[in-house]
Amino acid sequence: GQQVMQIPQYQHVQEGEDFTTYCNSSTTLSNIQWYKQRPGGHPVFLIQLVKSGEVKKQKRLTFQFGEAKKNSSLHITATQTTDVGTYFCAQAGTALIFGKGTTLSVSS
Amino acid sequence: GAVVSQHPSRVICKSGTSVKIECRSLDFQATTMFWYRQFPKQSLMLMATSNEGSKATYEQGVEKDKFLINHASLTLSTLTVTSAHPEDSSFYICSAIAVAKNIQYFGAGTRLSVL
Repeated sequence: GQQVMQIPQYQHVQEGEDFTTYCNSSTTLSNIQWYKQRPGGHPVFLIQLVKSGEVKKQKRLTFQFGEAKKNSSLHITATQTTDVGTYFCAQAGTALIFGKGTTLSVSS
Repeated sequence: GAVVSQHPSRVICKSGTSVKIECRSLDFQATTMFWYRQFPKQSLMLMATSNEGSKATYEQGVEKDKFLINHASLTLSTLTVTSAHPEDSSFYICSAIAVAKNIQYFGAGTRLSVL
């Protein structure tokens, strides 16, 4: 079945540094959704991208959908300790197909 | 926003017992709910799609006789882990889809530990 590959698997940054996670697919995605899961918690929906080349911002978070709709990225500017968690991309079809996630740790 | 309630949040049981997990959509009707399993430091793996009023659709490799799913109403789906064994210990998460928004809302998850 279709898979979305996500890199890196882990990322550690100093507070204030930027962070980016990438999601790639070998086939065209109809949409991409991003979720955040805090340690011990459940996934929380962040955003959905549908259009080719789409860029959406949520405060310090910037989400992009590639022109070919085969990749997406999530960029966090000036990370804070509250950004800690695992960020998953997922394609929403009949069900969600999740990437493996990128676990972000932030040291102050 | 939409709320999905999952109960219980944690279960510790003896090997061989059955465990029932409930998933409720509190403020919207969900004809479709999903059950995921997540092992430590891994991603969420879809186990089955629960359809109101019909049989669940199971993913490859998931035993339907082991993981019984019932979706008797538009707001409730249950997952029963039958004759649980230690290898069934995991974090089980349900979700319900808000069709109008094409967004899935997740329950808080159930951490199952089988001794």
